[in-house]
Amino acid sequence: DVKVTQSSRYLVKRTGEKVFLECVQDMDHENMFWYRQDPGLGLRLIYFSYDVKMKEKGDIPEGYSVSREKKERFSLILESASTNQTSMYLCASSLAGGNTEAFFGQGTRLTVV
Amino acid sequence: ILNVEQSPQSLHVQEGDSTNFTCSFPSSNFYALHWYRWETAKSPEALFVMTLNGDEKKKGRISATLNTKEGYSYLYIKGSQPEDSATYLCALPLDNNAGNMLTFGGGTRLMVKP
Repeated sequence: DVKVTQSSRYLVKRTGEKVFLECVQDMDHENMFWYRQDPGLGLRLIYFSYDVKMKEKGDIPEGYSVSREKKERFSLILESASTNQTSMYLCASSLAGGNTEAFFGQGTRLTVV
Repeated sequence: ILNVEQSPQSLHVQEGDSTNFTCSFPSSNFYALHWYRWETAKSPEALFVMTLNGDEKKKGRISATLNTKEGYSYLYIKGSQPEDSATYLCALPLDNNAGNMLTFGGGTRLMVKP
């Protein structure tokens, strides 16, 4: 079974802190994604990576950066956390190609106070 | 940005009712359409990945159809059960090369009352 594991289920951080959300997948998937989910807005893509060190901005990249130094790990970085980044963050991975399903992590609920 | 729309936004049905909802997308440059089910406190899980116009897929009481020429897919649930309560998401990849970004619709939240 594919496993996508996010480092924390719940996280509380202070405004201005640098925050790292980690995601690891164990199925050698090329693609990895970071989404955030807010009520009434569905899943919005923050960043996408299709290979080690390769990344593309999604729909809402402002205030975020990413790192993919190894194929299995994709990190989302909030450079200076703000209260409007309070949200549920979901990591996903998939094989290359648009006709392959994505597998999701359990989500990290981040609260910025 | 790919415009993927789902309707309705939410739906309340009684146990035993059959129901359906819609995913609409641009019909040009179609590669694939994904349906996911997201239950509360769980991760989204794939139901179907559909690629061909006229495709029809089924998993138990849930089925989906695809019309790529007119840009829509329907998800049907026959005889809804309380355990079908979830948010149903559709998604499309932006392109079919190595860099395929999955864009999701806003989801349909289904609540099935016993």
